[in-house]
Amino acid sequence: EAQVTQNPRYLITVTGKKLTVTCSQNMNHEYMSWYRQDPGLGLRQIYYSMNVEVTDKGDVPEGYKVSRKEKRNFPLILESPSPNQTSLYFCASSSIQGSSYNEQFFGPGTRLTVL
Amino acid sequence: RKEVEQDPGPFNVPEGATVAFNCTYSNSASQSFFWYRQDCRKEPKLLMSVYSSGNEDGRFTAQLNRASQYISLLIRDSKLSDSATYLCVVNRAGGSYIPTFGRGTSLIVHP
Repeated sequence: EAQVTQNPRYLITVTGKKLTVTCSQNMNHEYMSWYRQDPGLGLRQIYYSMNVEVTDKGDVPEGYKVSRKEKRNFPLILESPSPNQTSLYFCASSSIQGSSYNEQFFGPGTRLTVL
Repeated sequence: RKEVEQDPGPFNVPEGATVAFNCTYSNSASQSFFWYRQDCRKEPKLLMSVYSSGNEDGRFTAQLNRASQYISLLIRDSKLSDSATYLCVVNRAGGSYIPTFGRGTSLIVHP
């Protein structure tokens, strides 16, 4: 089954404790992206990757890191989480064909609470 | 002006009603347009792409108006199961793969 998986689905942590949210897709997609969703603000892009070892900042990258060592995985790292990073996080992937942008497939989301 | 703007609603309609949402975008060079559906606290899922000539999928019709820089979604014969948030997505200028999401329009269909 084609899918994007994220782990953990729920996480409560404390300020300053490094954490990683994993994202994996089995569709051989080149493009992967992380978003956060907050009430009234919609989906905002944190980082994206066009392919292995190619990553770039989205709209709200501060406080986050990513890596793309393998095509299928795109982990989101919070080196020193703060309460303003409490949010619902989505990972997404899509294929890139020519100059077209294709459907993004989203993971189920990770609800993060930073105390 | 925000890159992609939507009326957040909620649009509260009875079953069987026809409802339409608009989404305006600021970048005239945008090329790809989509409507996604998001149920409460779930991941967004593609509802339909929006083509220049307009397109229809069952009860749903999407249209693009480049001159006025907006896209629309029309839902006919609304069902209770159509209750959700509808997200407008526009790619950034010139074939970029960076999508911009609107904040979503909430639809509530009641019996």
